Amino acid sequence: GQQVMQIPQYQHVQEGEDFTTYCNSSTTLSNIQWYKQRPGGHPVFLIQLVKSGEVKKQKRLTFQFGEAKKNSSLHITATQTTDVGTYFCAGVSSNTGKLIFGQGTTLQVKP
Amino acid sequence: NAGVTQTPKFQVLKTGQSMTLQCAQDMNHEYMSWYRQDPGMGLRLIHYSVGAGITDQGEVPNGYNVSRSTTEDFPLRLLSAAPSQTSVYFCASLGRLNTEAFFGQGTRLTVV
Repeated sequence: GQQVMQIPQYQHVQEGEDFTTYCNSSTTLSNIQWYKQRPGGHPVFLIQLVKSGEVKKQKRLTFQFGEAKKNSSLHITATQTTDVGTYFCAGVSSNTGKLIFGQGTTLQVKP
Repeated sequence: NAGVTQTPKFQVLKTGQSMTLQCAQDMNHEYMSWYRQDPGMGLRLIHYSVGAGITDQGEVPNGYNVSRSTTEDFPLRLLSAAPSQTSVYFCASLGRLNTEAFFGQGTRLTVV
């Protein structure tokens, strides 16, 4: 079945440093979504990428979708303590419509 | 607008007991899903539904049953709880394919 792998599992950074998490799918995705989960909270939608090679920005966050639509990345520039949480990518299978999540990357930011 | 509501928030069960986790959404969404979240495993899909009367299995369906008699409700049943089912359970809904998923607050379940 479809698998979505995400690395790294954990990342500790000093406030002001950059952060990147990577997502890879075993199958071609119709789109990819990114979510953020604050400690003790529930996942909250950040963004969706649909087109091959698409790049979208939200303030200090940059999201990319690979040319083959099988990988994606989230890059945070100059992290802040408010960025703390777990970031998930989620792939939508074009065959089944199911939303399959990666394992998530937990970001810790030292002030 | 309540969004996605899950009950209970916390539950402790003894091995072998059964229970139902409730999920209701008031957004008239067709698509609803159940996930479990375990450390290092991310969110794993248990069951999902594409509309009233239609359900299908996800990645980890064993030990769980679902039904979708109405658009609003999507309960998850644990038939005979096992310690391996200790987890945080999230219900999610989508208005249509390829749109954002809205999550409930989660149910933290402990099976002893």
